[in-house]
Amino acid sequence: KAGVTQTPRYLIKTRGQQVTLSCSPISGHRSVSWYQQTPGQGLQFLFEYFSETQRNKGNFPGRFSGRQFSNSRSEMNVSTLELGDSALYLCASRGTGSYNEQFFGPGTRLTVL
Amino acid sequence: DAKTTQPNSMESNEEEPVHLPCNHSTISGTDYIHWYRQLPSQGPEYVIHGLTSNVNNRMASLAIAEDRKSSTLILHRATLRDAAVYYCILRRYNFNKFYFGSGTKLNVKP
Repeated sequence: KAGVTQTPRYLIKTRGQQVTLSCSPISGHRSVSWYQQTPGQGLQFLFEYFSETQRNKGNFPGRFSGRQFSNSRSEMNVSTLELGDSALYLCASRGTGSYNEQFFGPGTRLTVL
Repeated sequence: DAKTTQPNSMESNEEEPVHLPCNHSTISGTDYIHWYRQLPSQGPEYVIHGLTSNVNNRMASLAIAEDRKSSTLILHRATLRDAAVYYCILRRYNFNKFYFGSGTKLNVKP
């Protein structure tokens, strides 16, 4: 079974631009969560999508948004990029009915110049 | 949201047991205790989880204090591949919202 895949793996943008990151969950998984990881703040929860609906949301500004498609693939969008948005963005998927184990992808490294 | 406190770093010798502590004094009755670890240049991976009773799996054991205000992840025989950052996380029942603390960086010496 293929794991969680994220594209692209690396991305360089400039301030003010917007970016879209993609996550494909493990086949059969309907929940996708997104996290931001920085050296200063560690791993922070962004939001979770389940069956195309946002179920949980962390404490991030509205510039951070996401969506999920009918095939469970998810995208995360960050608008008006700031230098502080430079981070590793991780997505994780889990099986239906299982709150126990999340499977993380390798992440997308975003650098904002 | 309940928070966890872990030592910043710990060191262990290869083949020896490792006890990684975690304090969660504000835990509520419906919070599950999860442990994940993150190897260098990888996303976190699940290690173990529990609610009240001690738990064992092929990777590790989880010992939970009677008052649930602390827990300990036990690696029975550390290997070099266990060198990672270990995160102790609380998850509210029926919510898939994980709050990662700063974690403990485990260094394993040969």
